[in-house]
Amino acid sequence: DAGITQSPRHKVTETGTPVTLRCHQTENHRYMYWYRQDPGHGLRLIHYSYGVKDTDKGEVSDGYSVSRSKTEDFLLTLESATSSQTSVYFCAITTGAFGGYTFGSGTRLTVV
Amino acid sequence: AQSVTQLDSQVPVFEEAPVELRCNYSSSVSVYLFWYVQYPNQGLQLLLKYLSGSTLVKGINGFEAEFNKSQTSFHLRKPSVHISDTAEYFCAVSGGGGSNYKLTFGKGTLLTVNP
Repeated sequence: DAGITQSPRHKVTETGTPVTLRCHQTENHRYMYWYRQDPGHGLRLIHYSYGVKDTDKGEVSDGYSVSRSKTEDFLLTLESATSSQTSVYFCAITTGAFGGYTFGSGTRLTVV
Repeated sequence: AQSVTQLDSQVPVFEEAPVELRCNYSSSVSVYLFWYVQYPNQGLQLLLKYLSGSTLVKGINGFEAEFNKSQTSFHLRKPSVHISDTAEYFCAVSGGGGSNYKLTFGKGTLLTVNP
């Protein structure tokens, strides 16, 4: 969807290095989410944001941090990447009011 | 707390056959239910949603789902599938604004439509 972009699309990194993934939206939506997708697990929520500088943990937040300093950007940081964090990461946005989510195209991260 | 169980991890069907993908949920609050579709190497796209009202919900691409509160189910159906329906389908539940519209997803059902 043109209103939400993720970068990079693909990344290979080494164990122990920090990594930052970016989600950028042009929709001015209040809510933003980071999920990871793994085979057999579906999508699991890592962190989410309900406004600028307002963030909270999801079900699989260990090893991840987030920041949202402006409405359009939501950053996900892996503080010290591990092989268990190899995954596809999706960002999603919503206005709330049950409009449903709009998803980004995903970032495929490989930790070697 | 909320959870979603998708009862089949894989569903193979032949083209033009009907299909049902099963989803059961649990929630301690009012629920809002969604089905998403993911085509290979793409993000997720909303198929349909149930918020309130009629328990039969129609979505895009000829799909429909029925909300059954007594059975805590929200099964997805299509009367005649096409090759292009091959994708992974995710059922999801939300507790609404009180939970910041967070979605809890099932593990997905891979629908494969064979000629």
